[in-house]
Amino acid sequence: DTAVSQTPKYLVTQMGNDKSIKCEQNLGHDTMYWYKQDSKKFLKIMFSYNNKELIINETVPNRFSPKSPDKAHLNLHINSLELGDSAVYFCASSPWTSGSTYEQYFGPGTRLTVT
Amino acid sequence: QQQVKQSPQSLIVQKGGISIINCAYENTAFDYFPWYQQFPGKGPALLIAIRPDVSEKKEGRFTISFNKSAKQFSLHIMDSQPGDSATYFCAARREGNEKLTFGTGTRLTIIP
Repeated sequence: DTAVSQTPKYLVTQMGNDKSIKCEQNLGHDTMYWYKQDSKKFLKIMFSYNNKELIINETVPNRFSPKSPDKAHLNLHINSLELGDSAVYFCASSPWTSGSTYEQYFGPGTRLTVT
Repeated sequence: QQQVKQSPQSLIVQKGGISIINCAYENTAFDYFPWYQQFPGKGPALLIAIRPDVSEKKEGRFTISFNKSAKQFSLHIMDSQPGDSATYFCAARREGNEKLTFGTGTRLTIIP
């Protein structure tokens, strides 16, 4: 059973287009995240939702808009794509707890290439 | 501002050797320090984690050493195997905040 799944795995599109990436988790977690991993492998958080409520919103262009229809899904919509948006985007989830274990479960990633 | 500094950027170790990756942090409010392992084409996965109330944590061949006064922590991989070849990320989390701040990653290659 896939814990955190993302679609699509690969996305190639032209500058100026609008695209969406979908994420679903079947772990029963309350918190979901979007990360961007650039060509140098640097991982940076973009957004975090807890029970459909936005709790972390890093300095990300307004062209990026997350949407959480329910706590098992967190989608990422990107408007007016730019070359610099090319990266691997990871969705992750975690339980909402400050207990002794705090693990974020990552999806397999979506490689976005903007031409 | 890079709050978690990781070194080296890349590391080549012979099979059976010890791999050591170091991280340093600035924010003394960090209270949770995980290490993630990422294989090519996959998402990162939690490998081992430590809280600052202990100086060492061991799980199999993987050990975290933690030095609170120096604000440093390191990952040691004993008896390194080719299957350990991956990118390793240290991270830190501030108490009461769900955000993980990642280091810049270390690409580890284990050669036969």
